[in-house]
Amino acid sequence: DAKTTQPPSMDCAEGRAANLPCNHSTISGNEYVYWYRQIHSQGPQYIIHGLKNNETNEMASLIITEDRKSSTLILPHATLRDTAVYYCIVRVATTGANSKLTFGKGITLSVRP
Amino acid sequence: NAGVTQTPKFQVLKTGQSMTLQCAQDMNHEYMSWYRQDPGMGLRLIHYSVGAGITDQGEVPNGYNVSRSTTEDFPLRLLSAAPSQTSVYFCASSRGPRTVNYGYTFGSGTRLTVV
Repeated sequence: DAKTTQPPSMDCAEGRAANLPCNHSTISGNEYVYWYRQIHSQGPQYIIHGLKNNETNEMASLIITEDRKSSTLILPHATLRDTAVYYCIVRVATTGANSKLTFGKGITLSVRP
Repeated sequence: NAGVTQTPKFQVLKTGQSMTLQCAQDMNHEYMSWYRQDPGMGLRLIHYSVGAGITDQGEVPNGYNVSRSTTEDFPLRLLSAAPSQTSVYFCASSRGPRTVNYGYTFGSGTRLTVV
């Protein structure tokens, strides 16, 4: 699976958009980009994923660059409850047994009042 | 639906003791896995299973055993607990591996301390 690079931390004001970047310059054509978050002391929570098109759901939007070497997770109106560690994961799309997730250290998002 | 249920939530063991961490899911997911998380680190995969009767090792399997006799349950056994196994353990499940367009559902974790 391709490696991802995220800054260690960022903050944003409550009510504003939070844009979390991720670099995955070695991503291959059949690898998806996934985002998870982990609120303190809880299990990770799936947010969104995409292959090459931009995606949106009730939690967030995912913007993937045309060359697919980087992506941005957007929380459109951050709240204090969005304070968490956010993990960007690139996972091979396989029909075989290798479907594990490889978590890095993620980016800590702090939402301030 | 309960999702992924882990028990116990907290456990203290003495060095050398054995125990089983339980994980159950009610979503009919094929794929189940165990991760550990240590302070300041990301999650590391211990073992995983792509279906009943099939298990495989992750990146940190030493000291742990698993079995998958049913689709719903995936217990993690510590054979002889060591202080290095003090960690938070998470179980996760997914419809995968043949269906990549789904996320993983995680349990709330088991906090294990080995003294």
